[in-house]
Amino acid sequence: DTAVSQTPKYLVTQMGNDKSIKCEQNLGHDTMYWYKQDSKKFLKIMFSYNNKELIINETVPNRFSPKSPDKAHLNLHINSLELGDSAVYFCASSQGGAGEKLFFGSGTQLSVL
Amino acid sequence: RKEVEQDPGPFNVPEGATVAFNCTYSNSASQSFFWYRQDCRKEPKLLMSVYSSGNEDGRFTAQLNRASQYISLLIRDSKLSDSATYLCVVKQDYGGSQGNLIFGKGTKLSVKP
Repeated sequence: DTAVSQTPKYLVTQMGNDKSIKCEQNLGHDTMYWYKQDSKKFLKIMFSYNNKELIINETVPNRFSPKSPDKAHLNLHINSLELGDSAVYFCASSQGGAGEKLFFGSGTQLSVL
Repeated sequence: RKEVEQDPGPFNVPEGATVAFNCTYSNSASQSFFWYRQDCRKEPKLLMSVYSSGNEDGRFTAQLNRASQYISLLIRDSKLSDSATYLCVVKQDYGGSQGNLIFGKGTKLSVKP
């Protein structure tokens, strides 16, 4: 069974479109995250949720909106996609508070044309 | 100075070689340190935590030097399967992003037959 699963694996879309990436974890973890890894392979946190509540919101354009319907799910919605949004987006989860051992999903490669 | 810095490599070594990576961090108040491994086009996975006294897990040894603010990873008897990017990770223990993990850009290792 996949511990942290995210869909889709690949997402190719045009500038200006709105898209969503879904993430689910079956580990019973309290905290979930979204990370962005750009073309230079730099992995940077975007958001962190603990029991459905936002606890970290790094400097991310407000076009990015996370939604956590329950503690097992953290979806990422992106409005008005831009070329610079092209990257690999990783969902992750951890037991306990932010900063504990992270379990990552397999990533979603977003390409904005 | 970047928060977490690593030599990007690549380190090209023959099987059986011993190889060491260093990583420096800028925040002297950081308390928790980790090495993650990321295979090509895959998600990062925790390799090992780094403890103040140093720790060993099989062929892997991690050490922390607080005075110089650097962390090291030593791999003995390199295997082909060790080929990957090794990410140095520091837990940010201050400010509004309490517990946020800061990732280095990674050091690429390629083990050749």
